[in-house]
Amino acid sequence: QKEVEQDPGPLSVPEGAIVSLNCTYSNSAFQYFMWYRQYSRKGPELLMYTYSSGNKEDGRFTAQVDKSSKYISLFIRDSQPSDSATYLCAMSGPGGFKTIFGAGTRLFVKA
Amino acid sequence: ETGVTQSPTHLIKTRGQQVTLRCSSQSGHNTVSWYQQALGQGPQFIFQYYREEENGRGNFPPRFSGLQFPNYSSELNVNALELDDSALYLCASSLGQGPYEQYFGPGTRLTVT
Repeated sequence: QKEVEQDPGPLSVPEGAIVSLNCTYSNSAFQYFMWYRQYSRKGPELLMYTYSSGNKEDGRFTAQVDKSSKYISLFIRDSQPSDSATYLCAMSGPGGFKTIFGAGTRLFVKA
Repeated sequence: ETGVTQSPTHLIKTRGQQVTLRCSSQSGHNTVSWYQQALGQGPQFIFQYYREEENGRGNFPPRFSGLQFPNYSSELNVNALELDDSALYLCASSLGQGPYEQYFGPGTRLTVT
């Protein structure tokens, strides 16, 4: 079993839809939870990070962490074609130096 | 402010050869992490360097080694290349050892034939 599980998709939605992306994990020691966006032929770009449980909002993006269920989510409101990319969840434990990534979900937003 | 840069962009090597990949950190950053990203997969942590010392390592064999220089730029060296080493190699720089606020370079695409 992988430490971090993420549905690879692809996920296709119409412009303006609310997108929900999710990851589950098995290591209860994870404390830092991140979401990255990766466009084709580019390096990942940090979108959001959360420490421990709770919600965090930044513009059209909301990250949620439920440590009791070992489940994290990223919501994208009013999705745009420019949001079409691969979304990677990532997590790290107390030491912080080793970040474990999910496989990534490919998202397509149709105009 | 200069972002993270990596060189070369693409590289083709033969099985058994050695390769060196280079990374320049974002200005002011003292930590560099290296990742391997196979096609269709997420990045896998190789190791991290903090102030020129290896700070942690993932599940990669010793033929993967690295260096960090006083200006915080870094090298990833891979010896005895195998076909499975074909991947995108990413470096990420950050200030301090935390996992957040990592800024990734565009990567080096390595093909081993």
